[in-house]
Amino acid sequence: DIRMTQSPASLSASLGETVNIECLASEDIYSDLAWYQQKPGKSPQLLIYNANSLQNGVPSRFSGSGSGTQYSLKINSLQSEDVATYFCQQYNNYPLTFGSGTKLEIK
Amino acid sequence: EVQLVESGGGLVQPGRSLKLSCAASGFTFSSFPMAWVRQAPKKGLEWVASISSGGGGTYYPDSVKGRFTISRDNAKSTLYLQMDSLRSEDTASYYCARHGIPGYKTPSWFAYWGQGTLVTVSS
Repeated sequence: DIRMTQSPASLSASLGETVNIECLASEDIYSDLAWYQQKPGKSPQLLIYNANSLQNGVPSRFSGSGSGTQYSLKINSLQSEDVATYFCQQYNNYPLTFGSGTKLEIK
Repeated sequence: EVQLVESGGGLVQPGRSLKLSCAASGFTFSSFPMAWVRQAPKKGLEWVASISSGGGGTYYPDSVKGRFTISRDNAKSTLYLQMDSLRSEDTASYYCARHGIPGYKTPSWFAYWGQGTLVTVSS
């Protein structure tokens, strides 16, 4: 199974700041990586797929990058509505696996 | 607008069975692979099962293989998850999700999610 190691586990940042969340795969996943946002009490929502493709309707302050085993999600100009837990997920091979999540709070 | 509405969750005793349903609308259901993903209380996400667009291919992680069965009725635009031999560790919210790419056999991301249905396994 491909293990997804996500960091940090939690993050506190100020409004307007830029934040980065990292995801490390245990083997090369060839950019088969998605990022999801889960707001408190809600279901997850797709942000990014294929490592760097923005899902329709997602604000452009969200961006994804990476290749091989290392990937990152960047949020520019942090807004209050970005408070959520963020998960990465690989779909290069079954079983499909997720990172453990990063809880983002506003300082 | 894509909508996925789960139902069938509830309280069930260990060792018993439960069947979840997911009614889909707003897209051509028969064209897309579908999946179930679960989330234990205050925990992360765990993929549970996927099924190809035609229903001929099903995929499971080892944690549920042989106990859970995913199926679909394309005429009714409905996805199912039959859960047998339930254990306390199966307690979670179960989300129905649509995969991102139509008609592909290889796995892809989860483009849309339902609101979830809570399954509690307890005596």
